[in-house]
Amino acid sequence: GAGVSQTPSNKVTEKGKYVELRCDPISGHTALYWYRQSLGQGPEFLIYFQGTGAADDSGLPNDRFFAVRPEGSVSTLKIQRTERGDSAVYLCASSPTKNTGELFFGEGSRLTVL
Amino acid sequence: AQSVTQPDIHITVSEGASLELRCNYSYGATPYLFWYVQSPGQGLQLLLKYFSGDTLVQGIKGFEAEFKRSQSSFNLRKPSVHWSDAAEYFCAVVPSGAGSYQLTFGKGTKLSVIP
Repeated sequence: GAGVSQTPSNKVTEKGKYVELRCDPISGHTALYWYRQSLGQGPEFLIYFQGTGAADDSGLPNDRFFAVRPEGSVSTLKIQRTERGDSAVYLCASSPTKNTGELFFGEGSRLTVL
Repeated sequence: AQSVTQPDIHITVSEGASLELRCNYSYGATPYLFWYVQSPGQGLQLLLKYFSGDTLVQGIKGFEAEFKRSQSSFNLRKPSVHWSDAAEYFCAVVPSGAGSYQLTFGKGTKLSVIP
């Protein structure tokens, strides 16, 4: 597709379950970012990939959160033992190698933990 | 730590009226500055950005923003609002010279437009 694609668009799960959220960036974009947007807040940075490696994971809130990008394209955000406080919209963004400062965002995956 | 303040949570304007959305930042040095718009059912879209140079920057959809160093502000303006501008607007910053764009966002301002 032409833009950043995120699946699922909505995910409802129970407390304690494991969740995976997928991001398919714009073709050729080497940088990939995950953000989390809670209700009434702006997006908060979670993790940044340059190629296959996590260049900065300082925003991950705890060790229940993990993200991978094994082939330098699609990324998966993994959340273990979900808690109600993990409920939010998870946004993925990508940008080209020669960055002009513009991030291209997907529509997000809305996670609800019951 | 850097922070971004958008003092107005919700603004309502009439179609055709002018608009100004406020943004203040707190950071040791002048960061790179951005405005993004989030429309229902769509991803965040970049409206404009400021890195250096002319302090009045033009963006898409008829928006402009002015950087004022003395006030640590980067307010967004539009002379005549259209109904399609109803959305949520986010100001964001990143340290200047950063090799990547781990943006720090404000909490956003929701814009409603009255026909």
